Amino acid sequence: GDSVTQMEGPVTLSEEAFLTINCTYTATGYPSLFWYVQYPGEGLQLLLKATKADDKGSNKGFEATYRKETTSFHLEKGSVQVSDSAVYFCALSDIAGGFKTIFGAGTRLFVKA
Amino acid sequence: DAGVIQSPRHEVTEMGQEVTLRCKLISGHNSLFWYRQTMMRGLELLIYFNNNVPIDDSGMPEDRFSAKMPNASFSTLKIQPSEPRDSAVYFCASSFGQEAYNSPLHFGNGTRLTVT
Repeated sequence: GDSVTQMEGPVTLSEEAFLTINCTYTATGYPSLFWYVQYPGEGLQLLLKATKADDKGSNKGFEATYRKETTSFHLEKGSVQVSDSAVYFCALSDIAGGFKTIFGAGTRLFVKA
Repeated sequence: DAGVIQSPRHEVTEMGQEVTLRCKLISGHNSLFWYRQTMMRGLELLIYFNNNVPIDDSGMPEDRFSAKMPNASFSTLKIQPSEPRDSAVYFCASSFGQEAYNSPLHFGNGTRLTVT
């Protein structure tokens, strides 16, 4: 079945450092890909998405490119802030899987001032 | 525009008691998902509905769990009887669109359930 694998955390960075969180997927069809972010005590919220190969999703300085050839959707940000500290989830949704969204295990990011 | 609203935010109960979690969808959304989040198992999809109809409940752990959608804007998740291993944060999420697989989920803030 469909699955999402993302790098284990926690990831600890200093403010203004470059961020990469790796995400790879397996899917039976042609999935849409998402990154969600979860702040303490809150539900997940959509950060960005991409629906076809070579699409780049971007939001709040974060970006990720849909790479079909490597089945990857890595999250990047050029300069992180303390306020980016959160848990980041990679996810996919596949028409072959109906309405389901499958989530990775999540990667916790700590940004130090 | 109000987001997905879950109640209660926190629930502490004793083993064997019935627990009911509630969720109000965003107006106009037509898909509803119940997830459970634990440190050990991450986010697990329990059940989802489309246009008030349960589509897949294969993630529901066992018969102690049941979910309903009595109308287009409201859902409940019931656990009867509850057990300590049910302790988790339960999220509901809604989405809208003909191409539901393409539509992002909107999550509530969750219900933290503790069963002692």
